[in-house]
Amino acid sequence: GQQLNQSPQSMFIQEGEDVSMNCTSSSIFNTWLWYKQDPGEGPVLLIALYKAGELTSNGRLTAQFGITRKDSFLNISASIPSDVGIYFCAGQIASGSRLTFGEGTQLTVNP
Amino acid sequence: GAVVSQHPSRVICKSGTSVKIECRSLDFQATTMFWYRQFPKKSLMLMATSNEGSKATYEQGVEKDKFLINHASLTLSTLTVTSAHPEDSSFYICSARDWASGGALGETQYFGPGTRLLVL
Repeated sequence: GQQLNQSPQSMFIQEGEDVSMNCTSSSIFNTWLWYKQDPGEGPVLLIALYKAGELTSNGRLTAQFGITRKDSFLNISASIPSDVGIYFCAGQIASGSRLTFGEGTQLTVNP
Repeated sequence: GAVVSQHPSRVICKSGTSVKIECRSLDFQATTMFWYRQFPKKSLMLMATSNEGSKATYEQGVEKDKFLINHASLTLSTLTVTSAHPEDSSFYICSARDWASGGALGETQYFGPGTRLLVL
């Protein structure tokens, strides 16, 4: 089955720093999604990517759909304390199919 | 984005009893909803795919008789944990497929806030 490798597993940064995390897959996906999960909550959608090469921003967040369709990255610029949480990438091989999730990146931002 | 709700947000039950968790898409219709289980500090594990008007599709290793799923309408799916045991204690999260979220390009899934189950 599909596997997603998400890295890094955890990051400890200072407020104001930029952050980058990525996911790679052994399979081709036609959709990449990035979610953030706070403790005790469900994942919240940050960015959805539907086309290879697509670069999409949402405020301080930027994500790209890799041209090979097997990878995606998420950047957070000028991090703030409320960026703390677990970030998950998720890929979908076809419309209506299940999502395959990465293992998550735990982000800690020190004020 | 679209809103998905779950009820209850947390529940405690005695071993051997059954617990029902509801998942609702509030501002869109969802022919497909998904149920996940999440262990502490782990990623989401898909349990089953819930299809409106038909039987759910369960992932390998998930007991269909223990985790009963009903998707009776386009906005509601329920997960019933039957004869719950302490090892069923977990965080259960549903998601709803929004087929129109990406326009002609694709779709996405929106998640509920989760239900924390504690079985004593």
